[in-house]
Amino acid sequence: EPEVTQTPSHQVTQMGQEVILRCVPISNHLYFYWYRQILGQKVEFLVSFYNNEISEKSEIFDDQFSVERPDGSNFTLKIRSTKLEDSAMYFCASSVGTRAQETQYFGPGTRLLVL
Amino acid sequence: AQKITQTQPGMFVQEKEAVTLDCTYDTSDPSYGLFWYKQPSSGEMIFLIYQGSYDQQNATEGRYSLNFQKARKSANLVISASQLGDSAMYFCAMSRIKAAGNKLTFGGGTRVLVKP
Repeated sequence: EPEVTQTPSHQVTQMGQEVILRCVPISNHLYFYWYRQILGQKVEFLVSFYNNEISEKSEIFDDQFSVERPDGSNFTLKIRSTKLEDSAMYFCASSVGTRAQETQYFGPGTRLLVL
Repeated sequence: AQKITQTQPGMFVQEKEAVTLDCTYDTSDPSYGLFWYKQPSSGEMIFLIYQGSYDQQNATEGRYSLNFQKARKSANLVISASQLGDSAMYFCAMSRIKAAGNKLTFGGGTRVLVKP
């Protein structure tokens, strides 16, 4: 069964460093998302991406964040200058379409720790 | 804006018994979707079940069923015949129709522990 994959599974970085989190969505999916979950808290939407551009972003997704689909398979989230509060689990998700019933399938997540 | 509320932070259930996880929502959108995801201790988010706002019947997927009461704005998850592997965090989530991309709004989750 096709699945969303994410790399790395864990990343430790120093405050101020740039990190790139990578995702390979399910191959026939057209809509891509990033969410984050700070330890012990709810899952929060960061950004959605369709047709090579951002379709929606949350207030969390400030100028320090960017997303890219550099080729036909990868979808990346870049944090330019990490802060301590960026420590969280980051989930990539993808869906086939935009109707409400189009389920988003999540990857296993990347646990980011900023020291 | 959409809002999801899960009032049960945690609960115990005896193996083989049924358990109901509460979820209430608030939205002004006429059309929306309601989802339940399971998050085991390993951290991944596993899709369980979906209910559309216009669906007349309650959704079922194996041992999972969704008790959808639109007038009350509730979408409770029922897990029948609980198994030890059901011990996890469960999140209720909502989406809305948008031209491109449906962001999910999540509740705070309910932690379920199944006792043998």
